[in-house]
Amino acid sequence: QKEVEQNSGPLSVPEGAIASLNCTYSDRGSQSFFWYRQYSGKSPELIMFIYSNGDKEDGRFTAQLNKASQYVSLLIRDSQPSDSATYLCAVNGGAGGTSYGKLTFGQGTILTVHP
Amino acid sequence: GAGVSQSPRYKVAKRGQDVALRCDPISGHVSLFWYQQALGQGPEFLTYFQNEAQLDKSGLPSDRFFAERPEGSVSTLKIQRTQQEDSAVYLCASSPENIRAPYEQYFGPGTRLTVT
Repeated sequence: QKEVEQNSGPLSVPEGAIASLNCTYSDRGSQSFFWYRQYSGKSPELIMFIYSNGDKEDGRFTAQLNKASQYVSLLIRDSQPSDSATYLCAVNGGAGGTSYGKLTFGQGTILTVHP
Repeated sequence: GAGVSQSPRYKVAKRGQDVALRCDPISGHVSLFWYQQALGQGPEFLTYFQNEAQLDKSGLPSDRFFAERPEGSVSTLKIQRTQQEDSAVYLCASSPENIRAPYEQYFGPGTRLTVT
């Protein structure tokens, strides 16, 4: 079982719709959770981080964390074609006691927003 | 610019050659990470530096991989006797000590290594 799992997609949504991206993780001791966006051929760019159960909103983006279910999600409201990219879920911390920021990434979900 | 820079951006090496990849982190950033990203996969952790100290090298895939950051700023990832399975994008990331944005990592553009 991979430590961080994402559906590789592709996920296709129409412009203006809500895109829902999901991620599960195996290490129950994980502490911090991150969503990165990566355009083709570019480096990952941080969108949001969350470390408390519940929702965190930033503009059109909402991150949701449920530690009991070991589940984190990203909602993108009013999706735009410019949101088309690979979305990477990353997790920090856990049983290894690595509190300095080492990230474990999922394989990424490809999102396509079509006009 | 003030971002993380990496060089070269592209490197083609013949199998068995040694390569050196350079990372210039954001000025003043304490933490520096190297990741390896294979095609269609997420980045995988290789190693971590806090200033000049290499605190974690658990992700280095073999003893052919070596990283250093002698003065606590620029870092070099060296791969000896390259193999085809080393072909990937090598990403460098740096992070400040910032309690408001814990562990926020800024990625460089990466070096795409192709071993032929």
